[in-house]
Amino acid sequence: EAGVTQSPTHLIKTRGQQATLRCSPISGHTSVYWYQQALGLGLQFLLWYDEGEERNRGNFPPRFSGRQFPNYSSELNVNALELEDSALYLCASSPGAGTYNEQFFGPGTRLTVL
Amino acid sequence: DQQVKQNSPSLSVQEGRISILNCDYTNSMFDYFLWYKKYPAEGPTFLISISSIKDKNEDGRFTVFLNKSAKHLSLHIVPSQPGDSAVYFCAARILTGGGNKLTFGTGTQLKVEL
Repeated sequence: EAGVTQSPTHLIKTRGQQATLRCSPISGHTSVYWYQQALGLGLQFLLWYDEGEERNRGNFPPRFSGRQFPNYSSELNVNALELEDSALYLCASSPGAGTYNEQFFGPGTRLTVL
Repeated sequence: DQQVKQNSPSLSVQEGRISILNCDYTNSMFDYFLWYKKYPAEGPTFLISISSIKDKNEDGRFTVFLNKSAKHLSLHIVPSQPGDSAVYFCAARILTGGGNKLTFGTGTQLKVEL
């Protein structure tokens, strides 16, 4: 069974541009989570989608947004990129919104903002 | 505000010995704790968890201990093996009303030497 996949592996952008990161959850999983891991910090929660709707949002500015498609894949968009947005962005999926459901992580997208 | 803290960025242990990784938290609302392991270029993988109603959970070579009064948990790996060399993240969540968000520590790099 395929795990969580993310694309692209690496992304290089310049300040002010927009970045789009993609995530495909494990087949059958309806919940998708996005986390940011900046240098020296733990994983910071960004967004949670379930059944196409945004269920929870972390302490990030509105220029971080996303969506979940009918096939449960998800996109994270970062507008007006800033240097400090350079980080590893991890996507995770779980089989539904149940509180005990384990989150399975993808390998991440490394975003570099120049 | 780092609500989950791993104060040791690295730990080196000899093969066959015990590895003890520590984690402290500040939010008393956390009621479920997890440990994840991360190899380079891979996403974190779930290792073991513990509910706040327990003080110990064991799974093979891995045991997690929870001291609620001290807001402290630890992961014991016995015996340590070279394949255990990885970054270990402690994570916490609030089961009810927590929005499925995981709050992570900054990680501890474990190196198991021959």
